Amino acid sequence: DGGITQSPKYLFRKEGQNVTLSCEQNLNHDAMYWYRQDPGQGLRLIYYSQIVNDFQKGDIAEGYSVSREKKESFPLTVTSAQKNPTAFYLCASSIRPTSGGRNEQFFGPGTRLTVL
Amino acid sequence: AQKVTQAQTEISVVEKEDVTLDCVYETRDTTYYLFWYKQPPSGELVFLIRRNSFDEQNEISGRYSWNFQKSTSSFNFTITASQVVDSAVYFCALRGSGGSNYKLTFGKGTLLTVNP
Repeated sequence: DGGITQSPKYLFRKEGQNVTLSCEQNLNHDAMYWYRQDPGQGLRLIYYSQIVNDFQKGDIAEGYSVSREKKESFPLTVTSAQKNPTAFYLCASSIRPTSGGRNEQFFGPGTRLTVL
Repeated sequence: AQKVTQAQTEISVVEKEDVTLDCVYETRDTTYYLFWYKQPPSGELVFLIRRNSFDEQNEISGRYSWNFQKSTSSFNFTITASQVVDSAVYFCALRGSGGSNYKLTFGKGTLLTVNP
């Protein structure tokens, strides 16, 4: 089945530790995204990547880092510099936005990160 | 700057009632895309519909219908004969064109509860 997988679904970490969230897609999409969702809030863009080996900061990139070495994978690292990392993290993918057409983003199941 | 407003934070209805979720948007782009997503308790965002700014035709899909009014910058979503399984948070989102064509701007969501 085509789709986006994120692992793990729940993640607990101690304050001060870096943690990496996994995101894999088999939809053959060029573009991938990371969003953060806080209770009662919409989604906010952390990072996005339109092509392998290229990525750009979104609205709230501070304290986060990403890599895009493969088309299928876009891992997100939450560093100790992120002041309030406890949140629900959603990964998404789409065809390249400049392609027009069916440019909707498809989302993975999310990872709920709790920092103790 | 782009903005999406979902003024209804929470709506509660009884099964079989019709319900309309409001969405008002702001953008300076002449070409843009509007989306609705459903987020059930499991957390994953499920894509429902994409509407291009140059296509004002309203759409119906089963019990779901969408009313796009460019004159009032609104893209409202109606569920007819609501069911308990419709209970979820619904997000309206906007994507522009040009320099901001990668980014989805989300509203804060409307929590819909359908009671039996």
